[in-house]
Amino acid sequence: QVQLVQSGAEVKKPGASVKVSCKASGYTFTGYYMHWVRRAPGQGLEWMGWINPNTGGTNYAQNFQGRVTMTRDTSISTAYMELSRLRSDDTAVYYCARASGVGTNLHFYYYLDVWGKGTMVNVSS
Amino acid sequence: QSVLTQPPSVSGAPGQRVTISCTGSSSNIGAGYDVHWYQQLPGTAPKLLIYGNINRPSGVPDRFSGSKSGTSASLAITGLQAEDEADYYCQLYDSSLSGWVFGGGTKLTVL
Repeated sequence: QVQLVQSGAEVKKPGASVKVSCKASGYTFTGYYMHWVRRAPGQGLEWMGWINPNTGGTNYAQNFQGRVTMTRDTSISTAYMELSRLRSDDTAVYYCARASGVGTNLHFYYYLDVWGKGTMVNVSS
Repeated sequence: QSVLTQPPSVSGAPGQRVTISCTGSSSNIGAGYDVHWYQQLPGTAPKLLIYGNINRPSGVPDRFSGSKSGTSASLAITGLQAEDEADYYCQLYDSSLSGWVFGGGTKLTVL
């Protein structure tokens, strides 16, 4: 079945970096964009960006530009999200999610149809 | 603060109908981009509930429905059940941000 398996919880100090992995199975990894979304304690969902696993192209949310890097390894169907210069307010659960698209040449849209279970990242001194 | 405004909370008794609004602007909902809704049960990952404004993925009960008009969208839940207690989010593309955006989220309490 289609699933995304994420790496385990991380504890980091302020100023450090964290790299979260997301292994895809049950579908063609290069056929779907992968997005990253986070949810901080007491906050809502926050979109971080996407990577095109086929080309490696990326698009990052303005809030994270300069601090986030999304990569992939197609040989093992795995996407990565690295966040640098961590701050305490980066403490959150980080999710990867597959984007599926539907529509015609005139009207096309994407939505997140498969989600990983999340990776807790705790930033604390 | 999100560019998509949702009420922080809504509530209803079992069996009742509730609606959750998602108010945007001319750079997102008003620009014609499609709205999607996600349900996040406590301690779990978000789940796709409605896509393309009105479509339900297989397995989502027809008690859930979506609509869109102007610069707003709504999620309606009829025949409210205890298991519907969750956080709900609208999401779509915003041209001014050149990226995706989620609404602030709405916590549904079943009384």
